[in-house]
Amino acid sequence: DSGVTQTPKHLITATGQRVTLRCSPRSGDLSVYWYQQSLDQGLQFLIQYYNGEERAKGNILERFSAQQFPDLHSELNLSSLELGDSALYFCASSQDTRLGYTFGSGTRLTVV
Amino acid sequence: AQSVTQLDSHVSVSEGTPVLLRCNYSSSYSPSLFWYVQHPNKGLQLLLKYTSAATLVKGINGFEAEFKKSETSFHLTKPSAHMSDAAEYFCVVSDWVSNFGNEKLTFGTGTRLTIIP
Repeated sequence: DSGVTQTPKHLITATGQRVTLRCSPRSGDLSVYWYQQSLDQGLQFLIQYYNGEERAKGNILERFSAQQFPDLHSELNLSSLELGDSALYFCASSQDTRLGYTFGSGTRLTVV
Repeated sequence: AQSVTQLDSHVSVSEGTPVLLRCNYSSSYSPSLFWYVQHPNKGLQLLLKYTSAATLVKGINGFEAEFKKSETSFHLTKPSAHMSDAAEYFCVVSDWVSNFGNEKLTFGTGTRLTIIP
């Protein structure tokens, strides 16, 4: 157990639907990062939050949004889902990027 | 700007032989460098990290990496491969000085390691 908890582990949904992925960071980590991993795109950085505020944005679609709550857990909202959104979505947390990230085990999203 | 290049997308070695996974990086200042491993259908696990202390870094499961500033390399090695080493390996760089306030890690495209029995 890495200390970063992601739920759910698996999610199957239909095109056009909306889903919410949840992440609880490791205790003491203020930064949360979201990554998307697909076969054709590899590991893509989506967005970072630090202590409740958005800190950096990567290749995140406008249909996707995220937030970090006062208790530091984070949610990634994916809407108007398309088949191409099927991927593994990872959350990672960090206290200091010089020391690296701790990753959760991911949420596998399948859009049918 | 920071970037990382993994020179091999796929490496195959026989069990019991040495492993070498190559990584070159580009960074404006003093980078932090990492290797992560991802086993099939699992999350990413930190193998080892370099943060400007000793240039030879030892990690978990017998892996080590050497930071060579003159060659801008951070290659991952293991003296003897085990079947359980079969996985995807990612080289990662963080140029935290120039990225301060906008910190993120930059991942390489990954190297798939196959172990031949």
